[in-house]
Amino acid sequence: DTGVSQDPRHKITKRGQNVTFRCDPISEHNRLYWYRQTLGQGPEFLTYFQNEAQLEKSRLLSDRFSAERPKGSFSTLEIQRTEQGDSAMYLCASSRDVRTEAFFGQGTRLTVV
Amino acid sequence: GNSVTQMEGPVTLSEEAFLTINCTYTATGYPSLFWYVQYPGEGLQLLLKATKADDKGSNKGFEATYRKETTSFHLEKGSVQVSDSAVYFCALRPIQGAQKLVFGQGTRLTINP
Repeated sequence: DTGVSQDPRHKITKRGQNVTFRCDPISEHNRLYWYRQTLGQGPEFLTYFQNEAQLEKSRLLSDRFSAERPKGSFSTLEIQRTEQGDSAMYLCASSRDVRTEAFFGQGTRLTVV
Repeated sequence: GNSVTQMEGPVTLSEEAFLTINCTYTATGYPSLFWYVQYPGEGLQLLLKATKADDKGSNKGFEATYRKETTSFHLEKGSVQVSDSAVYFCALRPIQGAQKLVFGQGTRLTINP
């Protein structure tokens, strides 16, 4: 069990560019969550998957954001036409089921310049 | 809606001091309550949890008791160490819906030798 893995750890991009982040959950964890954390704040929920189905999206997830989890394994989060306000830490978490602990990855820190 | 309020930081203590970090919440029903810790350069780790009223979660010398009457889940430790320096997040998980976590804003703790 290698834990939740996120890639890349850091990303600097120019405003208007598209970026994609990847999350590999702990194997056999069927729930996967994305959160966003801005400086000095706690993580805020973005979206979650149960297996390959995306079951809920936060109002924070504008139409420039899209997440996928093909085949219920790894997940990707894409941000199109990035804005400076997208600069944040993007966290991924996974859990075996609804009753068990969620394990977090180390996050991807995005800086939009 | 669901929300968590933590005492504002940063908090600076001397080694072996007593620690309290206050956390109060607003939620319908009986959510599960958590404390997560984020050490420098690392991801969020679950520190302790409580799933029903009057439960006490404990780990690594830290304790927190689920108080329904005061809607609180204060974190305490009798004697802190330099290695406890980190950011601490209080969170709740609602009983309905996506089971997503709702976090407080975090409290940065620094322990001086």
